[in-house]
Amino acid sequence: GAGVSQSPSNKVTEKGKDVELRCDPISGHTALYWYRQSLGQGLEFLIYFQGNSAPDKSGLPSDRFSAERTGGSVSTLTIQRTQQEDSAVYLCASSFAPGWNTEAFFGQGTRLTVV
Amino acid sequence: TQLLEQSPQFLSIQEGENLTVYCNSSSVFSSLQWYRQEPGEGPVLLVTVVTGGEVKKLKRLTFQFGDARKDSSLHITAAQPGDTGLYLCAVVLSYNTDKLIFGTGTRLQVFP
Repeated sequence: GAGVSQSPSNKVTEKGKDVELRCDPISGHTALYWYRQSLGQGLEFLIYFQGNSAPDKSGLPSDRFSAERTGGSVSTLTIQRTQQEDSAVYLCASSFAPGWNTEAFFGQGTRLTVV
Repeated sequence: TQLLEQSPQFLSIQEGENLTVYCNSSSVFSSLQWYRQEPGEGPVLLVTVVTGGEVKKLKRLTFQFGDARKDSSLHITAAQPGDTGLYLCAVVLSYNTDKLIFGTGTRLQVFP
């Protein structure tokens, strides 16, 4: 498909384990965002990639969270030593270019449950 | 404190009623967007407002950007069950990077 693809759609993991969440953005989109959404609330900004620029990591809640974007396309969000409070829906979005008039296209999210 | 505060947080109404939801901030923005998120899906863009005082209409939805570009409202006329969802306002912060920041959201439930 031509949309943003996220995998897995659901992930159940044990407390203390590491998890990797994947995002395939729309081809040609230079900007990529990760958000966390708890219990259907608003979106908490995590990290933003734009082209070859250094990512904006200002939203990552702890050093257990990291993300990379390889080749300016696919991105992986890694959570190490997961905790129960990490349980949430993780949403990825991409846009053609940054700026005030750009439209962000979202994937369906990965629902992470830490037990 | 949240950059973008939305109110009300929850709203349950009957089909046919009118409603208004708000997005407020103490900061000035060059533009503001509204998204709608349905259960199990990612948010989808509804509109972008740019000019202070601007009003945009999308069928039964009317969006307004405040004169001072600090706030916005979304008015729905004759709400339908299909309007049910989470409504989110969003702005691009251009201090160091052009990251897109979302508000706290308003969850709307429209009953038949």
